[in-house]
Amino acid sequence: QKEVEQNSGPLSVPEGAIASLNCTYSDRGSQSFFWYRQYSGKSPELIMFIYSNGDKEDGRFTAQLNKASQYVSLLIRDSQPSDSATYLCAVKLRGSSNTGKLIFGQGTTLQVKP
Amino acid sequence: DGGITQSPKYLFRKEGQNVTLSCEQNLNHDAMYWYRQDPGQGLRLIYYSQIVNDFQKGDIAEGYSVSREKKESFPLTVTSAQKNPTAFYLCASSRMRLAGNQETQYFGPGTRLLVL
Repeated sequence: QKEVEQNSGPLSVPEGAIASLNCTYSDRGSQSFFWYRQYSGKSPELIMFIYSNGDKEDGRFTAQLNKASQYVSLLIRDSQPSDSATYLCAVKLRGSSNTGKLIFGQGTTLQVKP
Repeated sequence: DGGITQSPKYLFRKEGQNVTLSCEQNLNHDAMYWYRQDPGQGLRLIYYSQIVNDFQKGDIAEGYSVSREKKESFPLTVTSAQKNPTAFYLCASSRMRLAGNQETQYFGPGTRLLVL
């Protein structure tokens, strides 16, 4: 079992819809969770991080964390064609607080169609 | 402007050649990281460094070497021992929070390495 798993997609949604991206992780003691967006040929850029169970909202983006079920999700409301990218989930495992070491999923490709 | 710079943007390596990728940051971040990304895959950690003159192997360190002589700089050398070096190489950095916890990692623009 991979430590961090994402459906590679592509996930296709129409413009204006809600895109839901999911990520599961294997280490129950994982502490911190990050979502990065990566456009083709570019480096990842941070969208959000979440540490506590529940929802965290930032503009059109909402991160949801459920530690009991070991999943973290990213919702994108009012999806725009400019949101088309690969979304990487990253998890800081238990015991990695001092090193900052992250484990990345393989990413989910999102396509927003006009 | 504060940020992370990587050079060159593209790098070509011949068989048996060692090549060095540059990573510099002026964010005053303590920790720096090197990742490798292959097409359609996530990032895999090569090496990381939390302080000057100290670094640790990541998950795929074989065939790579690093140094951390200055806080701002963390160059990566891809040696001839790395048999499949073609990939997108990403450097990242993060700041040490209080109590030793590392904060979020921010990435440089990347170097694409190709083998001739």
